[in-house]
Parts: sequence; C-alpha cells; structure tokens
Amino acid sequence: QVQLQESGPGLVKPSETLSLTCTVSGGSVSSGSYYWSWIRQPPGKGLEWIGYIYYSGYTNNNPSLKSRVTISVDTSKNQFSLKLSSVTAADTAVYYCARDHRWVRGSYGMDVWGQGTTVTVSS
Amino acid sequence: EIVLTQSPGTLSLSPGERATLSCRASQSVSSTYLAWYQQKPGQAPRLLIYGASSRATGIPDRFSGSGSGTDFTLTISRLEPEDFAVYYCQQFSSSPPVTFGGGTKVDIK
Repeated sequence: QVQLQESGPGLVKPSETLSLTCTVSGGSVSSGSYYWSWIRQPPGKGLEWIGYIYYSGYTNNNPSLKSRVTISVDTSKNQFSLKLSSVTAADTAVYYCARDHRWVRGSYGMDVWGQGTTVTVSS
Repeated sequence: EIVLTQSPGTLSLSPGERATLSCRASQSVSSTYLAWYQQKPGQAPRLLIYGASSRATGIPDRFSGSGSGTDFTLTISRLEPEDFAVYYCQQFSSSPPVTFGGGTKVDIK
C-alpha cells in the first residue's frame, strides 16, 4: 500500500521560498508509470495543479506560476520536493502531493494522495 | 489551457436520490485523460473515476461516469449519507497545465 506524506514549514514569510518534501513509502519513486505531482488548495477554494516530476527528472509545471516553481526528485531517499519562490499571501494553501498513474494513451488518475499540509504566508 | 466548467455549483438532494453532475470542457478532452474526485472537509481528494467511465479501486457501483469530447457526467445513482461532499473533474489531456473544474458541492436537502 503506497503512502505519501508531505513535510515542511507551516509558516513562510512573504518574498521567501516555500519548501516542501513528499516521502513515498510502500513503493518506489523510481517506478516508471508515475508522475509525482503537487497540487494546492487555497482556503475555501478549489484545486490547482502545480506540477509534476518523473523519476528521470523530467518536469512539467503550471505556466500560471511562471518560473517560481522547482520540483526535484531524490530517488535515494524515495522523496520528491517542491520549491516555490517569492511567495505572497496568495500562496497560502493546503499543499498536497499525489501520484499520477499514467499509461501510454491515458491516465489512471491521481490514485494516491498525501494528507496535505497547510502553508501560511505571513510576516 | 483547457478550462473545465462544472455545474451546478451546488446540488441539494436527499439520501436515496440520484445526483447528476456535469463537467464541460472549453475544448475536446480525450476520454482516457478525464477523472473525477470526491473531497470531504479536511480530507484529501479521493479518486472515483478515471478514463471518464472506469471506477477506481474500491469505489461503489452507484458511482458512474460517462461522456466524451467536451461534455462529461458523474452520476451517483442513489445518494448515501457518506456521498455528501464536493466533486471535482480533472483533465490531463492538454498539459501543461493539468486542470481541475471548480467543483460541485452535493449537500443534504
């Protein structure tokens, strides 16, 4: 049973960099069928896809976040990470990591999610 | 970017009733890249449907998905008390970005 767990600071100051890590247990981040994803949800609002990474290091990010997003993977630790730079209050949200299960011509969906971690941007 | 519009915003129904949720895309989405999720307060989303019509592991058969092109539907045949939640559609067809609909809240009438 694969499980994901987010970790990182719950409070970040404006203009600083938000850093979160997702630890994968019960499975391997090096499995070839998955895109390891980050999604966020501002208070009382809907879901926003941030980006994903493949175990090889290939990434794809939401253009709306411009160049503020960096997603990386550490296969030795079975983790992947998110860095979001120059944060503002608008980046306050619950941040989720999730496994996006792909096949050649489709997706089996985001079938495993972390519990989410709340990040508040405030001085 | 493909925009997904979900309707209605809120659906007020009683247990035992049928729920029909709509997800309309701004351009055609491959069915193999359309999913539905359920989210309850304080919880992470849970995958219900992938490939527009395939139920995820452990999802009861009262949940069904259908549609193609730009119009997709999630149907809950008979609402159980645990089904009152927010439902999101998602497309992976055109990425970046992967996009979610704005959600439909199913609440108790």
